[in-house]
Amino acid sequence: DSGVTQTPKHLITATGQRVTLRCSPRSGDLSVYWYQQSLDQGLQFLIQYYNGEERAKGNILERFSAQQFPDLHSELNLSSLELGDSALYFCASSTGGTSSYEQYFGPGTRLTVT
Amino acid sequence: AQSVAQPEDQVNVAEGNPLTVKCTYSVSGNPYLFWYVQYPNRGLQFLLKYITGDNLVKGSYGFEAEFNKSQTSFHLKKPSALVSDSALYFCAVRDRGSGNTPLVFGKGTRLSVIA
Repeated sequence: DSGVTQTPKHLITATGQRVTLRCSPRSGDLSVYWYQQSLDQGLQFLIQYYNGEERAKGNILERFSAQQFPDLHSELNLSSLELGDSALYFCASSTGGTSSYEQYFGPGTRLTVT
Repeated sequence: AQSVAQPEDQVNVAEGNPLTVKCTYSVSGNPYLFWYVQYPNRGLQFLLKYITGDNLVKGSYGFEAEFNKSQTSFHLKKPSALVSDSALYFCAVRDRGSGNTPLVFGKGTRLSVIA
């Protein structure tokens, strides 16, 4: 158990809908990262937050947004969903300090868009 | 831009034999390198990392990896494979920039250990 929690575990929704994925980082970790894992694209970095502020952006669609709250949990919002958004969405966390290297991953949320 | 290549989609090895999962990387400077493992319906688990120092790094579950700067490689190895090692393995690289930059992952290599 990495200490990173994600809810829900599974999500099934229809095209055009909006969903919110939630992540709680390990205790003490300030950095949160979101990744998307799909069969054709592999593991892709979406966005990173550090202590409530956006730190880096990857291949995140404009229909997707995220935020990190004062208690450090993070939410990833996916809107106007398309079939191609079906994927596993992972959250990872790290301490964010200068000696922080590896990231610890949550169990993921499997999103199915029908 | 950083990139990672895992040239083999699938590696098959007999139980008890040594295993190697290959990884090569491309970064502009000196890298931080990582290996993660993913079991079915699970998240990624951290195995080991290379930051600096000894080129041979040891990690969890008896795995080790060798950093080779001249060949820009970071191959994952284990002297004696177990059936329970069967999983999807990802190599990842991170730039030594300021702060905690995101990981760039390879496509993954599926390891199958046959009894």
